[in-house]
Amino acid sequence: NAGVTQTPKFRVLKTGQSMTLLCAQDMNHEYMYWYRQDPGMGLRLIHYSVGEGTTAKGEVPDGYNVSRLKKQNFLLGLESAAPSQTSVYFCASSRQGAANEQFFGPGTRLTVL
Amino acid sequence: QKEVEQDPGPLSVPEGAIVSLNCTYSNSAFQYFMWYRQYSRKGPELLMYTYSSGNKEDGRFTAQVDKSSKYISLFIRDSQPSDSATYLCATYTGNQFYFGTGTSLTVIP
Repeated sequence: NAGVTQTPKFRVLKTGQSMTLLCAQDMNHEYMYWYRQDPGMGLRLIHYSVGEGTTAKGEVPDGYNVSRLKKQNFLLGLESAAPSQTSVYFCASSRQGAANEQFFGPGTRLTVL
Repeated sequence: QKEVEQDPGPLSVPEGAIVSLNCTYSNSAFQYFMWYRQYSRKGPELLMYTYSSGNKEDGRFTAQVDKSSKYISLFIRDSQPSDSATYLCATYTGNQFYFGTGTSLTVIP
């Protein structure tokens, strides 16, 4: 039982490049979330999904897109990376109706030059 | 004003001390309050959560919510070096989640 896994662990991009971060969970959770964590800002919700085929905006969605084609996977895309998107990205999942019990992945460290 | 405010510390205590970590929040609609522990370069892990006001105890950890003053606390008794981490408070309403910036704690053997 791996829990929540994230791919890749590290990535360096140049401004304007695109990339996709993959999150996978094996707990059969309905809800999945993408956060970014920046010094002095804490964790901020980017997008979330309450089930396969659904997505919704969080607190800081601009510059990101997401897709939930399969229940166990939640993808975060950056179409044209900017230095302001340099951050640590965390994916999380939870059971339906238990958003207070989120399980987090190990994070992806992204640097945009 | 941020939805959740947390003193970033850092906080340094000797082993065996009682630690008090605190947050304030702004929206009286918040009902669930969570505490996460995050070790360096790792993802946060849920320690415990409380619903509405009151106390909740789990081993050496006690979470406390005072809704009248919009104040949440985490107490750690008999602190251990393995408790050295960053502690994040969090709350949510609907599908919007708000985390504090985290308090860095070091327990010195």
